[in-house]
Amino acid sequence: AQSVTQLGSHVSVSEGALVLLRCNYSSSVPPYLFWYVQYPNQGLQLLLKYTSAATLVKGINGFEAEFKKSETSFHLTKPSAHMSDAAEYFCAVSDSRAAGNKLTFGGGTRVLVKP
Amino acid sequence: DAGITQSPRHKVTETGTPVTLRCHQTENHRYMYWYRQDPGHGLRLIHYSYGVKDTDKGEVSDGYSVSRSKTEDFLLTLESATSSQTSVYFCAISVDRGANTEAFFGQGTRLTVV
Repeated sequence: AQSVTQLGSHVSVSEGALVLLRCNYSSSVPPYLFWYVQYPNQGLQLLLKYTSAATLVKGINGFEAEFKKSETSFHLTKPSAHMSDAAEYFCAVSDSRAAGNKLTFGGGTRVLVKP
Repeated sequence: DAGITQSPRHKVTETGTPVTLRCHQTENHRYMYWYRQDPGHGLRLIHYSYGVKDTDKGEVSDGYSVSRSKTEDFLLTLESATSSQTSVYFCAISVDRGANTEAFFGQGTRLTVV
């Protein structure tokens, strides 16, 4: 069985500061990892994904994440927070990159950006 | 949004009544999913479908049933709604991107059971 743990249900950052969201996973097979963002009253949008190519993955809106197998982590970062980054972020894992893969999500981290 | 429409977007219903949520896609993708979102739990898989009339249970399937009689529609039914089923429900599809797949989500249905 797979599981995902996101450390911190709420994170507050100042505009221009580093954003760091933590994600640790458990998987019995090589994982495929994802970060999604959810803006208020909207569905989830894919930020980036790791599918066993480069361990440093760049996504949209200036976000990136690094896969560290030894630490079973896939932390999300952005060097400089913008007000528009205020949202909830979800880390997810799948055991397959094939069609029909089911996602297991972490509990989410809500980001507040202070002016 | 990959052509996914959920209806209704909001619903309030009474305990014990049946409720059906609809997910409609316009691109004939094979795989469709229903998740529920609750604070602190992220999204949890309720049921999924891998084709017309082919469905299977997810992590939190008790109290829910699904049907898929056409490729484009995936229905989620709460047989007898309970307050614990108050949640936001998301439909998703799985899109083949060649070497891997990507999930796209609908806008969600906020269901309140009173």
